[in-house]
Amino acid sequence: AQRVTQPEKLLSVFKGAPVELKCNYSYSGSPELFWYVQYSRQRLQLLLRHISRESIKGFTADLNKGETSFHLKKPFAQEEDSAMYYCAQNRDDKIIFGKGTRLHILP
Amino acid sequence: DAGVTQSPTHLIKTRGQQVTLRCSPKSGHDTVSWYQQALGQGPQFIFQYYEEEERQRGNFPDRFSGHQFPNYSSELNVNALLLGDSALYLCASALGDTEAFFGQGTRLTVV
Repeated sequence: AQRVTQPEKLLSVFKGAPVELKCNYSYSGSPELFWYVQYSRQRLQLLLRHISRESIKGFTADLNKGETSFHLKKPFAQEEDSAMYYCAQNRDDKIIFGKGTRLHILP
Repeated sequence: DAGVTQSPTHLIKTRGQQVTLRCSPKSGHDTVSWYQQALGQGPQFIFQYYEEEERQRGNFPDRFSGHQFPNYSSELNVNALLLGDSALYLCASALGDTEAFFGQGTRLTVV
């Protein structure tokens, strides 16, 4: 079955420290992967997609096909990064979401 | 542009009843997808509509049905409600394969 796994429900990181949110996906040849973010009281929004290879708000995510991973990283956490983060995979136009990781940035 | 709008924002229904949720896509978008998000879970794909047809469907029973209108707005219908149908229902719209934009969701509580 198509699965996206985010092993951490909650991740607490001090401001200024590096952040890594883990995501593993089930193999599907050429995966299309995303990270979505939901800030407090806001709607779910796309943060980045692997095909664009861009950095958004200082976040990057590298696709590792060998490890079937798509971890989200940021070198220096900021307080405004506190949010719920969802990793997602598109297969046949169905977007499959992980259960999400709540990122809490400590002052 | 108000983006994706969903109505109502909250709803309480009794077991066995039927419910209709509504979604207006972002201006210019032609594809609408529906998701169910239970507490503590990620959104789960229900189905997607394009050109008034159901194009893809997730692992949901036939009690879940939908419709897309010529103006691209969409409805999600759930029959014979169960307690387990209590969740946040999200609508997302897109133009073809481009970025999907989500609505704020409808919180459905079944009692």
